[in-house]
Amino acid sequence: DADVTQTPRNRITKTGKRIMLECSQTKGHDRMYWYRQDPGLGLRLIYYSFDVKDINKGEISDGYSVSRQAQAKFSLSLESAIPNQTALYFCATSDLGGDRNEQFFGPGTRLTVL
Amino acid sequence: GENVEQHPSTLSVQEGDSAVIKCTYSDSASNYFPWYKQELGKRPQLIIDIRSNVGEKKDQRIAVTLNKTAKHFSLHITETQPEDSAVYFCAANDYKLSFGAGTTVTVRA
Repeated sequence: DADVTQTPRNRITKTGKRIMLECSQTKGHDRMYWYRQDPGLGLRLIYYSFDVKDINKGEISDGYSVSRQAQAKFSLSLESAIPNQTALYFCATSDLGGDRNEQFFGPGTRLTVL
Repeated sequence: GENVEQHPSTLSVQEGDSAVIKCTYSDSASNYFPWYKQELGKRPQLIIDIRSNVGEKKDQRIAVTLNKTAKHFSLHITETQPEDSAVYFCAANDYKLSFGAGTTVTVRA
């Protein structure tokens, strides 16, 4: 089945370390997103990309950067991790066509910054 | 940008009763309103959606209503079952999705 995958699934790191979270998809979708989930705050958009040459900041991009290496791959980096970046991170994809924007989520990466 | 507010944050219902979750949005350009369900330890998944040219949509025990004038939309779950226990997110789409903070629904047996 076409799917969205994330690596790693869990990561514990220390303050100041550089971390990369990776997302791959076999759905053939053009649009990819990175979200952060915190209890009581829902899903907040970090970055999104509508195609390989398009990168856009979301509502909470400070402290994060992304790379769209190919249509199927979208990576999120924390250049210098800090404890308040401890959260559950989701990658998602959606198709370009139509007026729906149904998003398909990966399984999530649980990141702990000590 | 779009701002979506969702209420209540937690909801406990007796099995067989109905559950209602309400959301408001701020951007009149938003044209698509999905609802996602996230079971414990799982990824969010779409359960139902509605477009701005439709007032109501139903799928078995789940229904959504949309009032564009008032900028609010609601999710209704009837005859709740234990498997309905989850976190539910509403969202509004202009060119990207903005999510509400989520509602934790607990169905008591």
